[in-house]
Amino acid sequence: QVQLVESGGDLVKPGGSLRLSCAASGFSFSDYYMSWIRQAPGKGLEWVSYISGSSTYTNYADSVKGRFTISRDNAKNSVYLQMNNLRADDTAVYYCAGDSDGAFDCWGQGTLVTVSS
Amino acid sequence: QLVLTQSPSASASLGASVKLTCTLSSGHSSYVIAWHQQQPEKGPRYLMKLNSDGSHSKGDGIPDRFSGSSSGAERYLTISSLQSEDEADYYCQTWGTGFHRVFGGGTKLTVL
Repeated sequence: QVQLVESGGDLVKPGGSLRLSCAASGFSFSDYYMSWIRQAPGKGLEWVSYISGSSTYTNYADSVKGRFTISRDNAKNSVYLQMNNLRADDTAVYYCAGDSDGAFDCWGQGTLVTVSS
Repeated sequence: QLVLTQSPSASASLGASVKLTCTLSSGHSSYVIAWHQQQPEKGPRYLMKLNSDGSHSKGDGIPDRFSGSSSGAERYLTISSLQSEDEADYYCQTWGTGFHRVFGGGTKLTVL
């Protein structure tokens, strides 16, 4: 059974850093692109970043480029999101998702990041 | 610019059918999209991938009540025999220019 479990969400001050993790199971992880998507309180879904199966390709939304870094460890079936210089508008639930040729075909339950002083 | 447009809300009665619309921006009418469901206080769930010719492939365990179709730049999600648990937000999503992924604004479906 496909499962994605995010962790690492927390309350952090503006300008601070946080690293999110997503543990995957139930599918051939190294063959899959993986994405992070976020949802601000009461808002819609916003794609944040993706990484290819071999980590060769990454891409970022303009809103996080230069501040966030996506990475993965296929030996641990895990994908990460390093978030630096956090701002109040980064406050959101962050989801990881399996990215199958662009379509997000499996989702985690999300982890909450709150940026506030 | 690749944009997906959805109506903010829709409603239909229990047991009835409803058709939700996602419109691709000009010049992108051939794009494949995906539909996702987000029930209240839950993470999203993948429903299906929908091609421009209306063919679609659903996610594991998605009931037959959910189907997709296409016409020009419009992509549709039809839910038949509406049940209370179908009350949710529905998002369309696509990918393209610069390989960015794009979401529509979502449609909040109310089951009356």
